[in-house]
Amino acid sequence: DAKTTQPTSMDCAEGRAANLPCNHSTISGNEYVYWYRQIHSQGPQYIIHGLKNNETNEMASLIITEDRKSSTLILPHATLRDTAVYYCIVRVGVNDYKLSFGAGTTVTVRA
Amino acid sequence: ETGVTQTPRHLVMGMTNKKSLKCEQHLGHNAMYWYKQSAKKPLELMFVYNFKEQTENNSVPSRFSPECPNSSHLFLHLHTLQPEDSALYLCASSQAPGHNEQFFGPGTRLTVL
Repeated sequence: DAKTTQPTSMDCAEGRAANLPCNHSTISGNEYVYWYRQIHSQGPQYIIHGLKNNETNEMASLIITEDRKSSTLILPHATLRDTAVYYCIVRVGVNDYKLSFGAGTTVTVRA
Repeated sequence: ETGVTQTPRHLVMGMTNKKSLKCEQHLGHNAMYWYKQSAKKPLELMFVYNFKEQTENNSVPSRFSPECPNSSHLFLHLHTLQPEDSALYLCASSQAPGHNEQFFGPGTRLTVL
């Protein structure tokens, strides 16, 4: 019962912005969009989350479309250390601790 | 360094052995989680603890037995495992169950022979 759809893989150039798309066409009004990433041989790492407004933090920006059916995670200046699997997850905010990880997008940053 | 540590990082055990995985968080969180990540499969939530009380058992076989003696420590006791239980076992914590971010440890790579 996948709630999100992401491309399997993508490459990006070091120093350039990486734009990672995610479709969540069945998202409910009370569901948040979360992004995590998992670098090889490490545990997942939280990146950012949002409900309907665009969000930015020190790691990335999250752009959510007005109809909330899709979003884009932007890594503004990709580095080699950003090579990882990126997961887009939707979850209800209150009392929903279940992170349902799908297959994610394998992002490879190339020099 | 996420503030969540797991030991051991690697473990090889036979099917008749008994072993335990340990997780410790130094973040003052109240909720702790066990996840399993098998090769080429998504992460699966196994157990959730909130204030030392188990609030979720995601249909996990009884050969996996969790223990949460306090909010900072979480154990996963293993006995009579099967080769298909070989996986990366990840511990996570959060301030509380809900839409707070979860902080993950580095995981224990378990191989069952």
